[in-house]
Amino acid sequence: KAGVTQTPRYLIKTRGQQVTLSCSPISGHRSVSWYQQTPGQGLQFLFEYFSETQRNKGNFPGRFSGRQFSNSRSEMNVSTLELGDSALYLCASSPFGTANTGELFFGEGSRLTVL
Amino acid sequence: DQQVKQNSPSLSVQEGRISILNCDYTNSMFDYFLWYKKYPAEGPTFLISISSIKDKNEDGRFTVFLNKSAKHLSLHIVPSQPGDSAVYFCAASAYSGGSNYKLTFGKGTLLTVNP
Repeated sequence: KAGVTQTPRYLIKTRGQQVTLSCSPISGHRSVSWYQQTPGQGLQFLFEYFSETQRNKGNFPGRFSGRQFSNSRSEMNVSTLELGDSALYLCASSPFGTANTGELFFGEGSRLTVL
Repeated sequence: DQQVKQNSPSLSVQEGRISILNCDYTNSMFDYFLWYKKYPAEGPTFLISISSIKDKNEDGRFTVFLNKSAKHLSLHIVPSQPGDSAVYFCAASAYSGGSNYKLTFGKGTLLTVNP
């Protein structure tokens, strides 16, 4: 069974640009969550999608947005990039959403560098 | 306000000895707790979990202890092996309405097991 696939793995952008990251969940998984990992803040929750609907949202500005398609693939977009957006963006999938068992299957992440 | 705290950014242990990683939480609504392990350039992987109705869960060399009154959990690895060297994230799950649960991560502890 293929794991969670994230593309691109690495990218470099400049301030003010926008970026779109893609995530393909494990086949059959309907929930996709996005996390931002930075050295000082650990893993911070961005949002979760289930059956094309955003179910949960973290405390990030409106520049961060996402969507989920009917095949459960998800994209996240960051507009007007800032230096502080440099981070590893992780996507995670689960079959039933972030149920209280909490077990998520993570991709390898997309490393974004903003210059 | 960080609801899940891992106060030790790093821990160094000798091979064969016990590793103890600690985690404190502030939200009494958390009802499920998990540990994830992360190697460099990889996404986090689920390690072990515990429900709030239990105080101990064991899986091979890994044991998680939960002290609800102290809002504290710990992960014990016995015996520690060099391959256990990774960042360990503590996570907690709380009900967020409807059928939704939200997972909150700590900042992580870098464990180094020396041969």
